[in-house]
Amino acid sequence: EDQVTQSPEALRLQEGESSSLNCSYTVSGLRGLFWYRQDPGKGPEFLFTLYSAGEEKEKERLKATLTKKESFLHITAPKPEDSATYLCAVPPGGSEKLVFGKGTKLTVNP
Amino acid sequence: DSGVTQTPKHLITATGQRVTLRCSPRSGDLSVYWYQQSLDQGLQFLIQYYNGEERAKGNILERFSAQQFPDLHSELNLSSLELGDSALYFCASSAARTLGGTEAFFGQGTRLTVV
Repeated sequence: EDQVTQSPEALRLQEGESSSLNCSYTVSGLRGLFWYRQDPGKGPEFLFTLYSAGEEKEKERLKATLTKKESFLHITAPKPEDSATYLCAVPPGGSEKLVFGKGTKLTVNP
Repeated sequence: DSGVTQTPKHLITATGQRVTLRCSPRSGDLSVYWYQQSLDQGLQFLIQYYNGEERAKGNILERFSAQQFPDLHSELNLSSLELGDSALYFCASSAARTLGGTEAFFGQGTRLTVV
C-alpha cells in the first residue's frame, strides 16, 4: 500500500535553532514529491517539488532534499513566522490523487 | 494567494441538508481536485476533473458528487449531510492532466459545519 509517513509529529524550536523534518514514502513509480506549508484553517501552500534522488531545492530558510526512500525539509535559523504544519505528498504511480502525510507541526518560539 | 478561489468560506447547515461548494481554478488550469480534511483523517482525496470530465475518484461517498463546467469552475455537492461530514473541503488546480511533472495549488477551503 502506498504510504507517506512524516516525523516528528510536532517540533518545537527556538528562533535560530536549525532542524530537519522527515518524510518517508513507499510508492510505486514516484512521479514527484511535493512539500506544502499549511497554516491553521488555511489551504496548503505549495513549497517545492522534487523529482529524482539527489535533487535539492531552496527557498529562503527552507531546503528540501530527496533520496530514494525519503525526503528532508531542512529549516535553517527559523523565525516565528515559520511556525506552521509542513506536509509532504506523493502521487502514487498510476493514480492522480496526492497521498499526504499527516504533517509535522512546527512551532518556533521567539 | 494561490489563484484558486473557493466559496463560501464558511457554511453551517443541519443534518440531512444539501450544500454546494464552489471552486474557480487558477487561470489556465484544466484540472480540479477536491480534498476533505478532518482532524483525525488528514487530507483525503475525493475526486479529480480534467477539462470537464471525471478523471480520478478517491474515497468519495455516494452522497457526494461533483462536476466541472465549460468555464472550468467546479462544484462539489454534498447531500443528506451527517455530523461526520463536518470538515474543511479544499479545491486544488493544476495545469496538466496528470500530477507527474506539475504542481497542484490549493484554495483557502470551505469550512463545513453540520449541526
